[in-house]
Amino acid sequence: DSGVTQTPKHLITATGQRVTLRCSPRSGDLSVYWYQQSLDQGLQFLIHYYNGEERAKGNILERFSAQQFPDLHSELNLSSLELGDSALYFCASSFGTGETEAFFGQGTRLTVV
Amino acid sequence: AQSVTQPDIHITVSEGASLELRCNYSYGATPYLFWYVQSPGQGLQLLLKYFSGDTLVQGIKGFEAEFKRSQSSFNLRKPSVHWSDAAEYFCAVGARLSGGGADGLTFGKGTHLIIQP
Repeated sequence: DSGVTQTPKHLITATGQRVTLRCSPRSGDLSVYWYQQSLDQGLQFLIHYYNGEERAKGNILERFSAQQFPDLHSELNLSSLELGDSALYFCASSFGTGETEAFFGQGTRLTVV
Repeated sequence: AQSVTQPDIHITVSEGASLELRCNYSYGATPYLFWYVQSPGQGLQLLLKYFSGDTLVQGIKGFEAEFKRSQSSFNLRKPSVHWSDAAEYFCAVGARLSGGGADGLTFGKGTHLIIQP
């Protein structure tokens, strides 16, 4: 158990809908990273938050957004969902801004039908 | 932008044999380098990391990796594999930020390790 909690574990929704994925980082970790893992694109970095502030963006679509709350948990919002958004979404946390190791959650498997 | 290449999509190794998984990266400076393992239906677990210093790093489960700057490589090795090592292995590079620290990781496509009895 990495100490990073992601909910829900599985999510099935229809195209055009909006979903929210939640991540609770390890106790004491200030950074949260979101990644998308799909068969065709592999593991891709989406976005990084550090202590409530957006730190960096990767290959995140404009339909996607995230935030980190004062208690340091984070949410990834995916809207206007398309079939191609079906993937495993991982959250990872670290104490610092990347120079320390990141611990990954078990992921949320999103299926868009 | 940085990139990572894992040239072997699948590797089959007999139990007890040695293992080397290849990883090449592209990055303008000295990167942060990682190897992660993912078992089916699981998240990623960090095996080892290189930030600076000794270029031979030891990790968990008997794995080690060597950073070779001249070859832009960070190959993962294990002297004797066990059936439980069957999994997907990912090499990743983290870019060093000008203000310190690193950022979101760039992952390779992964190498699927199969262990033959």
